[in-house]
Amino acid sequence: KAGVTQTPRYLIKTRGQQVTLSCSPISGHRSVSWYQQTPGQGLQFLFEYFSETQRNKGNFPGRFSGRQFSNSRSEMNVSTLELGDSALYLCASSFDRGHTEAFFGQGTRLTVV
Amino acid sequence: GESVGLHLPTLSVQEGDNSIINCAYSNSASDYFIWYKQESGKGPQFIIDIRSNMDKRQGQRVTVLLNKTVKHLSLQIAATQPGDSAVYFCAYAGYSTLTFGKGTMLLVSP
Repeated sequence: KAGVTQTPRYLIKTRGQQVTLSCSPISGHRSVSWYQQTPGQGLQFLFEYFSETQRNKGNFPGRFSGRQFSNSRSEMNVSTLELGDSALYLCASSFDRGHTEAFFGQGTRLTVV
Repeated sequence: GESVGLHLPTLSVQEGDNSIINCAYSNSASDYFIWYKQESGKGPQFIIDIRSNMDKRQGQRVTVLLNKTVKHLSLQIAATQPGDSAVYFCAYAGYSTLTFGKGTMLLVSP
């Protein structure tokens, strides 16, 4: 079956703009989590959604937000982009909320200029 | 607070050798650990996991060892191949989050 799909793969935005990233989980998976990966900070947890509800949120400013739809697809939004938001944004899906065998997508590479 | 760290940032081995990647954790309440492999341009790929009620778990060419006494985790890769070259992360799975270590780069020479 299809894996986790993230779109777009690459994105270039200017400071102050906002961006929306999309993640389609593996069919049947109801938990979707988002992570930010940078060379300096590594992989950092953003938030997790399960059955359209945000269950946990990492230590990121309110400019970072997300949502999950009834079909488990998820989007994350970053408003008022800053240069430091340049990163690889990864989405992971799992069957339940326990993060057992979480599967990652290929990520969206966001560059803020 | 919680942290998951790696001892070696880069590990270089010859093809056919066995590789050992280490990881230390600080949260004694940790009960579930995962190893991920990340190749350039790709997302992390699940390799193997282990729960705290186990000391060892084996997969295909990989073995994870857990020493709860010293809070240490290791990933052993047997007969390392060039395709194993990647960054390897250990992670602790919490309620609904994954806390990742910084990663170890494994370089396999032919």
